[in-house]
Amino acid sequence: AIRMTQSPSSFSASTGDRVTITCRASQGISSYLAWYQQKPGKAPKLLIYAASTLQSGVPSRFSGSGSGTDFTLTISCLQSEDFATYYCQQYYSYLRTFGQGTKVEIK
Amino acid sequence: QVQLVESGGGLVKPGGSLRLSCAASGFTFSDYYMSWIRQAPGKGLEWVSYISSSGSTIYYADSVKGRFTISRDNAKNSLYLQMNSLRAEDTAVYYCARASRGYSDYWGQGTLVTVSS
Repeated sequence: AIRMTQSPSSFSASTGDRVTITCRASQGISSYLAWYQQKPGKAPKLLIYAASTLQSGVPSRFSGSGSGTDFTLTISCLQSEDFATYYCQQYYSYLRTFGQGTKVEIK
Repeated sequence: QVQLVESGGGLVKPGGSLRLSCAASGFTFSDYYMSWIRQAPGKGLEWVSYISSSGSTIYYADSVKGRFTISRDNAKNSLYLQMNSLRAEDTAVYYCARASRGYSDYWGQGTLVTVSS
């Protein structure tokens, strides 16, 4: 199975910060990558698919980039509602896999 | 609007069985692949299985292969997960999700499965 590794696992940031989360695949996955946001006690929410396409209704401060094995999720100006855990997921292989998650906490 | 509502979770003893259901509405169910994804308490997301729109193509994670069976009834707009030989490590919130070209664009609220004696 393709292994997805996110970094960092967690970090603290302040409202207004620009933050970047990295996701690395153990083999090339082209652009078959999605990003999700999950808040405590809630189901995950799709943010980005095809590595860089913003899901309808998602604020434009979220952006994604990358292809092959290295991907990033960027939040350009962190808002209070963005403190959450973020997951990447590959769908290149029929055995889908998620990264371990990155928790963004308030500094 | 798209709605996915899971049911069937609960407490079951190790070695026992449970059948989860997911009722879909707000979209043409028979047009979409569907997935089950789980999350152990305090842990990350783990993809479990998915099924094609017709039910002819099915895949499972290695951790559940041979024990879990995914199925669907397009006439009832419903997705199912039959879970047998349950283990403590199967304890998790189970989400059903609509699979749109490989990623999950809509998720249910989840149903908790606890495997414990």
